[in-house]
Amino acid sequence: QLQLQESGPRLMKPSETLSLNCTVSGGSISNSNYYWGWVRQPPGKGLEWIGSIYSSGSTYYNPSLKSRVTISVDASKNQVFLELSSVTAADTAVFFCARHSGLLMFGVTYAFDIWGQGTMVTVSS
Amino acid sequence: DIVMTQTPLSLSVTPGQPASISCKSSQSLLHSDGQTYLHWYLQRPGQSPQLLIYELSSRFSGVPDRFSGSGSGTDFTLKISRVEAEDVGVYYCMQGTHLPVTFGGGTKVEIK
Repeated sequence: QLQLQESGPRLMKPSETLSLNCTVSGGSISNSNYYWGWVRQPPGKGLEWIGSIYSSGSTYYNPSLKSRVTISVDASKNQVFLELSSVTAADTAVFFCARHSGLLMFGVTYAFDIWGQGTMVTVSS
Repeated sequence: DIVMTQTPLSLSVTPGQPASISCKSSQSLLHSDGQTYLHWYLQRPGQSPQLLIYELSSRFSGVPDRFSGSGSGTDFTLKISRVEAEDVGVYYCMQGTHLPVTFGGGTKVEIK
């Protein structure tokens, strides 16, 4: 049974770079035709797609965050990484990683079918 | 970006009664391949979202048949035929027809 687990710092200071890991267990990142996405949720608010990476390494980002986001994979560790630079208080959120399929090169994203439990990140001076 | 508007913001339902949530998109979600990439999720309190309905009307594995999705173009509906206590939480629609992926603001369902 595939499981996703996010990890990373809980508290950040403004202007720092946030780095989060998503460890995938119960299946291989590289031997699949899936995307691995990141979604965030500010406290008490809705969901925002950050971006996704395909098993081949192709990346797709939300234009609203594209200048600050990098998503990468380490297939040997079965991990997906998120970096978000120059964080501010507005980046305080629960960050989820999630699996999905689709054809993002054609703009199509299928449903996110497996989600991690999420990790809360607070940005405060 | 496609704007997804959900109504109502909240819903209080008596167990056993039906419930309906509306989701409207700012542009048609019908893709040129003939599919509509409109998905529905439930986020129970303190949990991550879980997939209920994918591609407009297909129930995800293990989802009870009291949940159903319908609609076309820009207007979509999630219906719960008989609400149960375990259905409490926030429901989100999500469009995957156009990048970037966008979500509705959520509808909170409570039990009376």
